[in-house]
Amino acid sequence: GDSVTQMEGPVTLSEEAFLTINCTYTATGYPSLFWYVQYPGEGLQLLLKATKADDKGSNKGFEATYRKETTSFHLEKGSVQVSDSAVYFCALYSGGGADGLTFGKGTHLIIQP
Amino acid sequence: GAVVSQHPSRVICKSGTSVKIECRSLDFQATTMFWYRQFPKQSLMLMATSNEGSKATYEQGVEKDKFLINHASLTLSTLTVTSAHPEDSSFYICSARVTLAGTDTQYFGPGTRLTVL
Repeated sequence: GDSVTQMEGPVTLSEEAFLTINCTYTATGYPSLFWYVQYPGEGLQLLLKATKADDKGSNKGFEATYRKETTSFHLEKGSVQVSDSAVYFCALYSGGGADGLTFGKGTHLIIQP
Repeated sequence: GAVVSQHPSRVICKSGTSVKIECRSLDFQATTMFWYRQFPKQSLMLMATSNEGSKATYEQGVEKDKFLINHASLTLSTLTVTSAHPEDSSFYICSARVTLAGTDTQYFGPGTRLTVL
């Protein structure tokens, strides 16, 4: 079955540091890949997505590239801010009917001033 | 665009009572909505797929008689937790699927925190 593996958290960085959150997946076919963000006390928000190999999704300074050869979709940001502190979920959608998303366990990101 | 709302945002109930959670797509129609449950410090678990005008499809291990889902219109799905018990306390999140240019994307509601005493 489908699965998503994310790096364990929490990840603690200083403001303006470079961020990478690793995500690898296992899926049949060619899934769409997503990063969702959950700020404290809120629901999930779609951060970015990519639907085919070599696509790069980007939003709010974050970006991730769909790498089929390494089955990865790592999230990166060049300079993080305190306001980026949140839980980040990598997810995939295989399509083909009524199935929902398959999520990773989430990575808690803490940015210190 | 693509806003999904949930109501209520928080609910506290006594053990044995039933609780209904609403999920609405505010500015689009969704033939398919999903219900997830989030356990503390864990990811979301898909509970069921809600299809407008038909019976919901439940994931393995989810009791369909306990978690009643009704998707009566293209903008509303409801989840009713029947005879709730403390172990049902959790964060419940719905999402609505939108298909644009051949790509499916899910938009999530803000979630409902259920506490069963």
